[in-house]
Amino acid sequence: IAGITQAPTSQILAAGRRMTLRCTQDMRHNAMYWYRQDLGLGLRLIHYSNTAGTTGKGEVPDGYSVSRANTDDFPLTLASAVPSQTSVYFCASSIQGGETQYFGPGTRLLVL
Amino acid sequence: AQSVTQLGSHVSVSEGALVLLRCNYSSSVPPYLFWYVQYPNQGLQLLLKYTTGATLVKGINGFEAEFKKSETSFHLTKPSAHMSDAAEYFCAVSDAGNTGKLIFGQGTTLQVKP
Repeated sequence: IAGITQAPTSQILAAGRRMTLRCTQDMRHNAMYWYRQDLGLGLRLIHYSNTAGTTGKGEVPDGYSVSRANTDDFPLTLASAVPSQTSVYFCASSIQGGETQYFGPGTRLLVL
Repeated sequence: AQSVTQLGSHVSVSEGALVLLRCNYSSSVPPYLFWYVQYPNQGLQLLLKYTTGATLVKGINGFEAEFKKSETSFHLTKPSAHMSDAAEYFCAVSDAGNTGKLIFGQGTTLQVKP
């Protein structure tokens, strides 16, 4: 059982480029989340999805988009990357909203 | 709106000493409260959570936390620190299932000295 996988593990990206971070879970969880982690700020929610076909904005959604075409996958897209999007990105899932969230290993992104 | 404040970005204890990591929250609805631990270069792992019922919650690795509504606190404790407890700890609050979104504190780095 893999749980949650994220790809890539790390990436260096030129500013202005488009990038999609992938997240897949095999636990049949309904809810999925994307967070970014920055030193001194903890984790901040970017976007979330409580069920396939629906998405919502979190605390810091600007510059990011998501889709939830099926239960297992929840990709995060940076349409035109900027240096302030340099961060560690974590995907998480839970059986349903409000229940315990399980986290992936993270993607380290450096935007130059 | 909900918020979480973790008092002290760095806490240092000696091996065998009491661990106390402080967390205060603000919530307009009955909160669900969580403590997560993050080891270097890893994702977050759940230590324990409070939803309803007993206010003293026991988690993994000997940690426990007590929900005190009157003090809006959810402090994390462990009677005797081990070297392996060195990590970053995050307190988080959820809006009890309305949307399920977690609001995290800034994190506390625990250092354990031999």
